[in-house]
Amino acid sequence: DAGVTQSPTHLIKTRGQHVTLRCSPISGHKSVSWYQQVLGQGPQFIFQYYEKEERGRGNFPDRFSARQFPNYSSELNVNALLLGDSALYLCASSDDRGRFGGYTFGSGTRLTVV
Amino acid sequence: GNSVTQMEGPVTLSEEAFLTINCTYTATGYPSLFWYVQYPGEGLQLLLKATKADDKGSNKGFEATYRKETTSFHLEKGSVQVSDSAVYFCAPQGSARQLTFGSGTQLTVLP
Repeated sequence: DAGVTQSPTHLIKTRGQHVTLRCSPISGHKSVSWYQQVLGQGPQFIFQYYEKEERGRGNFPDRFSARQFPNYSSELNVNALLLGDSALYLCASSDDRGRFGGYTFGSGTRLTVV
Repeated sequence: GNSVTQMEGPVTLSEEAFLTINCTYTATGYPSLFWYVQYPGEGLQLLLKATKADDKGSNKGFEATYRKETTSFHLEKGSVQVSDSAVYFCAPQGSARQLTFGSGTQLTVLP
């Protein structure tokens, strides 16, 4: 079985640009969460989607948005990129919103803003 | 919201040494508790979990016990291996099921 897949694995953007990151959860998982991990720090929660609805939002500016599609895949969008948005963006999926089984994480998308 | 305090690293041990990584948390209610591990250049992997007080999570020789009285979830392993070298994260789960990660503890095991 495929795990959580994220694309692209790496990308470089210029300040002010827009970026879209994609995530496919494990088959059968209906919950997708997004985390930002700045180098040397722990991941920070950005969004959680379950059954295509937003169920949680972390303390991130409105430049960050996300959505979940009918097949439960998800996109994270970041507008007006700043240098500080450079980070590893992790997607995590779960079949029960992580209550008992925890989350399975993808390998992440490494975003560099120059 | 939740918060986590993890033992600061880096931690360097010799192979077969005993490992403890301390983790204390603040949270409303009784959250599920998790330890995740991150190997170099990779995403996070679930190491173990505990969903209620006094539960002991275990996996790959690692153990942690959910201590409600002390709001702690310390990670232990009796004999570490070089392959255990990684960053370890303690994470309670919030009311919205989000994870709150500590800053991580870098473990290096020397042969």
